[in-house]
Amino acid sequence: SQTIHQWPATLVQPVGSPLSLECTVEGTSNPNLYWYRQAAGRGLQLLFYSVGIGQISSEVPQNLSASRPQDRQFILSSKKLLLSDSGFYLCAWTRGTAYNEQFFGPGTRLTVL
Amino acid sequence: QKEVEQDPGPLSVPEGAIVSLNCTYSNSAFQYFMWYRQYSRKGPELLMYTYSSGNKEDGRFTAQVDKSSKYISLFIRDSQPSDSATYLCAILNQAGTALIFGKGTTLSVSS
Repeated sequence: SQTIHQWPATLVQPVGSPLSLECTVEGTSNPNLYWYRQAAGRGLQLLFYSVGIGQISSEVPQNLSASRPQDRQFILSSKKLLLSDSGFYLCAWTRGTAYNEQFFGPGTRLTVL
Repeated sequence: QKEVEQDPGPLSVPEGAIVSLNCTYSNSAFQYFMWYRQYSRKGPELLMYTYSSGNKEDGRFTAQVDKSSKYISLFIRDSQPSDSATYLCAILNQAGTALIFGKGTTLSVSS
């Protein structure tokens, strides 16, 4: 069976500090991978998605970036965090062209102070 | 007009009640409609999806799509306290590559 991991589970960072969140998927190959942010009252916002190693599409321009160094690894980064980056970050994956069936990880709760 | 709109609630019902959760959408070209359930501080989990119009039933849950009015619904029969969660509707975008989510409706079922 497939599982998706995210870490860390929670993170408190000062404004201006760097960020690295990691997501890995087990039990499947060549998944499509997604990063979402969920902020209070704003729903799930798609940040990045990737259909393969090194292939990243950005949905929302901001101070975040994503990378996919390995088939089942997706990383979300920032060089300098803003207060507005606080939120619940979720990684998700889909199999092949079944884009409608997204499976989410447990999430990382980020607080920027 | 936003692509997907969902009343955030909160919605409070007694145990055993029938719950109706709804979303509206703007683009008649959308074909795939999903419902996710999210417990507090957890990732969303896919409950069910429907393609085009019609109903789909899974146990106590029924998903309904009315394309003529661009309206999607999730019905929960015999609601249980364990159903207390936020329910998110989602629609596959026209390109077929990403989901567009509603903001979610928070449901509380009291025993």
